[in-house]
Amino acid sequence: EVQLEESGGGLVQPGGSLELSCAASGLTVTNSYMNWVRQTPAKGLEWVAIIYADGKTYHADSVKGRFIISRDISENTVHLQMTSLRVEDTAIYYCARLDWATTSGAFDLWGQGTRVSVSS
Amino acid sequence: EIVMTQSPATLSASPGERVTLSCRASQGLINNLAWYQQKPGQAPRLLIYFASTRATGVPARFTGSGSGTDFTLTISGLQSEDSAVYYCQQYNFWPVFTFGPGTRVDIK
Repeated sequence: EVQLEESGGGLVQPGGSLELSCAASGLTVTNSYMNWVRQTPAKGLEWVAIIYADGKTYHADSVKGRFIISRDISENTVHLQMTSLRVEDTAIYYCARLDWATTSGAFDLWGQGTRVSVSS
Repeated sequence: EIVMTQSPATLSASPGERVTLSCRASQGLINNLAWYQQKPGQAPRLLIYFASTRATGVPARFTGSGSGTDFTLTISGLQSEDSAVYYCQQYNFWPVFTFGPGTRVDIK
């Protein structure tokens, strides 16, 4: 079965750091375009970052310079390293695969999400 | 910056009815638009891509249409399990992907 499973969420103080992980099964992260998408009641769904199959990475302006997406080939896992966290980074963070081959840009596979709370 | 708007914010309809959800983009997308369904406590689920192509396993009562800046998702023969929030998403301007604010569909 093809699936994504996030982990690493939790409560952190403003200015702190946290690393999220997305374990993939039934697919290879090096053959995929993997993303992080977050969701808040106030802002809805917000794309955060992408790592292409060739390893190129891009981040949303709202997190650029603070978050880094990466992947571990041996673990078939995608990570999101988050630093200088702000209250407004509080959200459910989803790992999502972008199906480039079939859809050219839609997210066809999502994890169940992991909750990040930034509060003092 | 691409801005996506959706209307209405909420709609309520009876089982069996046909409902139409709208999505508008601030710039032309050609047909690079997707629709998602999200139920409480669940991740979004891809329904439609390329504005009108149903994803695998999506019932035929879900129909997408439109191009350029104006898009529509129609649910024909509304069922109780269609109660959810529906989001549109543009993917014309890689690598920036933008979602609309969503339309909540309630079943009377």
